[in-house]
Amino acid sequence: GQQLNQSPQSMFIQEGEDVSMNCTSSSIFNTWLWYKQEPGEGPVLLIALYKAGELTSNGRLTAQFGITRKDSFLNISASIPSDVGIYFCAGQAGGTSYGKLTFGQGTILTVHP
Amino acid sequence: EAQVTQNPRYLITVTGKKLTVTCSQNMNHEYMSWYRQDPGLGLRQIYYSMNVEVTDKGDVPEGYKVSRKEKRNFPLILESPSPNQTSLYFCASMSGGYTGELFFGEGSRLTVL
Repeated sequence: GQQLNQSPQSMFIQEGEDVSMNCTSSSIFNTWLWYKQEPGEGPVLLIALYKAGELTSNGRLTAQFGITRKDSFLNISASIPSDVGIYFCAGQAGGTSYGKLTFGQGTILTVHP
Repeated sequence: EAQVTQNPRYLITVTGKKLTVTCSQNMNHEYMSWYRQDPGLGLRQIYYSMNVEVTDKGDVPEGYKVSRKEKRNFPLILESPSPNQTSLYFCASMSGGYTGELFFGEGSRLTVL
């Protein structure tokens, strides 16, 4: 199946620092998504991107859909302790494959107060 | 409250003993899917269903079966579980707009001895 490479695998940062993570794919996606998973729960959608080049913000979070449609990044500004969790990128193909969503390996974020 | 409910949440079983993990959603969503989460591998799609009586393989379908007889339910069946199916399993649903916004259940942790 399609592969998404997400980096970094983990981050240890101080409260107040900015965070950046990205995802690359060998295939083109029509939709890029970013999810957050907190301990003991299922992932929750943070941001959805539907157009190449699109830049979207959700509070302190900003994400971009790469112009080649093969990559995306997520930035978190001024991190706080509740940002702790696992962040996943996901790509959704189009055409007959729009039911298949492929996830990256995840970025484990730890924020030290 | 809109939700995806999985049962059981935790299960320890032995190799070869058939088991079913149930999944139910109350949002009238057409699309449902199963994922497994393993450390370092992220979320990998097992099966998905675009609507009643329509199911398709994801990236890791071997050893699993699904059925979609009703819109709200999408059970995952392990006919003869093996230790390599020890994992955290998530069921998710999505509305008919196929925006990529998945609503996840809380997960089912399965251990096969």
